[in-house]
Amino acid sequence: EIVLTQSPGTLSLSPGERATLSCRASQSVGSSYLAWFQQKPGQAPRLLIYGASTRATGIPDRFSGSGSGTDFTLTISRLEPEDFAVYYCQQYGNSQRTFGQGTKVEIK
Amino acid sequence: QVQLVESGGGVVQPGRSLRLSCAASGFSFSTFGMHWVRQAPGKGLEWMAFIWFDGREKYYADSVKGRVSISRDNSKNTLYLQMNSLRAEDTAVYYCARDLYGSGPLGYWGQGTLVTVSS
Repeated sequence: EIVLTQSPGTLSLSPGERATLSCRASQSVGSSYLAWFQQKPGQAPRLLIYGASTRATGIPDRFSGSGSGTDFTLTISRLEPEDFAVYYCQQYGNSQRTFGQGTKVEIK
Repeated sequence: QVQLVESGGGVVQPGRSLRLSCAASGFSFSTFGMHWVRQAPGKGLEWMAFIWFDGREKYYADSVKGRVSISRDNSKNTLYLQMNSLRAEDTAVYYCARDLYGSGPLGYWGQGTLVTVSS
C-alpha cells in the first residue's frame, strides 16, 4: 500500500496569496497517477487535478499541479475566497488507491 | 448528467451488519469501475474498496479487508457495500464514486450517507 504524506497540515494565508501544497509518496506513483481533490465542509470532494498536472473540467487555471515519481505539488496562484478548503492528494496507480491526510488552507 | 445517490446509512449497534447502496444514473454504469470512500467525523478521506466494471475483480484497503465486501448489480445500476462486525470507528460518511475514465481518478462522487455505530 502506497502511503501519501501531505504537508503542511494547515496553511494560513490571505486572499490573493500563493498557496503551495506538497504530497510525497512512499514509493513511486507510476505514470504520474496522482490526483488532487478539494473538499469544503458538508460537501463531497471535487476533482481538481489528475495525471499530476491536468486540470479537470471547469477548474480555474489558478490551480496547477506538478511533480512525478514520489514528489507532487498543488499550487494555487492567487487565493480566492472560495479556495479556502481542505485539499487531498490521491494515487490511482496502484489497485489499492490511497489518499493523503489532507492540507487545510485557512484564512489568515 | 452523472448522478450517484447513496442510501442505507443510519444508526447501527456495534457488532451488527449493514449494507449500503449507491444508485447510479446518467451514464453507462456497466462500463465503469466504482469505489467506496469513507470519512470519519472531522477526519480525512479513506479509500475503502474498488470493483471492476464487470465485477470480476475487487480490491480493498488493508484496514477493512475481511470485514467489508463490495459488489454491484449492473442490471439495476446499483453498487453495494456490505459491512460486517461494525465498530464505533466505522462511524463515517460513506461515499460512492466513479472513475473519471477507466482506471482513472475518482471523477464523480455521491453526496454520501452517514453511518453511526453506537449502542
